[in-house]
Amino acid sequence: GQQVMQIPQYQHVQEGEDFTTYCNSSTTLSNIQWYKQRPGGHPVFLIQLVKSGEVKKQKRLTFQFGEAKKNSSLHITATQTTDVGTYFCAGPPGNTGKLIFGQGTTLQVKP
Amino acid sequence: NAGVTQTPKFQVLKTGQSMTLQCAQDMNHEYMSWYRQDPGMGLRLIHYSVGAGITDQGEVPNGYNVSRSTTEDFPLRLLSAAPSQTSVYFCASSRLAGGGYEQYFGPGTRLTVT
Repeated sequence: GQQVMQIPQYQHVQEGEDFTTYCNSSTTLSNIQWYKQRPGGHPVFLIQLVKSGEVKKQKRLTFQFGEAKKNSSLHITATQTTDVGTYFCAGPPGNTGKLIFGQGTTLQVKP
Repeated sequence: NAGVTQTPKFQVLKTGQSMTLQCAQDMNHEYMSWYRQDPGMGLRLIHYSVGAGITDQGEVPNGYNVSRSTTEDFPLRLLSAAPSQTSVYFCASSRLAGGGYEQYFGPGTRLTVT
């Protein structure tokens, strides 16, 4: 079945440094979604990418969808302590409403 | 709107006991899903439903049952709890937007099986 892998699993950065997490799928995805989970909280939808090569920005966050629609990345510029949490990518197997999640990347930011 | 609600927030069970985790949503979403989250494993899909009366298995369905009698409710039943089912359980409902299904998660149920 479809597998979604994320790297790195953990990342510690100094406040102000940049951060990137990468997501790779074993199969082509119709879309990819990104979620953020704060410590002790639940996952919250951030964004969805649908088109090959698509790039979307949300303030300091930049999301990319690969040309082959099998990989994606999330880049945070100048991290802040409010960015702390676990970032998940997720994609649907086929054209269904279910999602397969990556293992997540946990970001720690030192003030 | 309350969004997605889950009860209970915490539960301790003994091995072999059964229980039902409740999930409800008031957004009239067709899709609902159950996930479990374990350290280092991300979110794994247990069961999902594409509408009232229709359910299907996810990645890790063994030991769990679901039913969907209404659009709003999607309970998850543990038939005979085992320590391996100690986890945090999230329910989610989905809406179709922009070509994919955005998931809205409930606050979770933290389950411990002793």
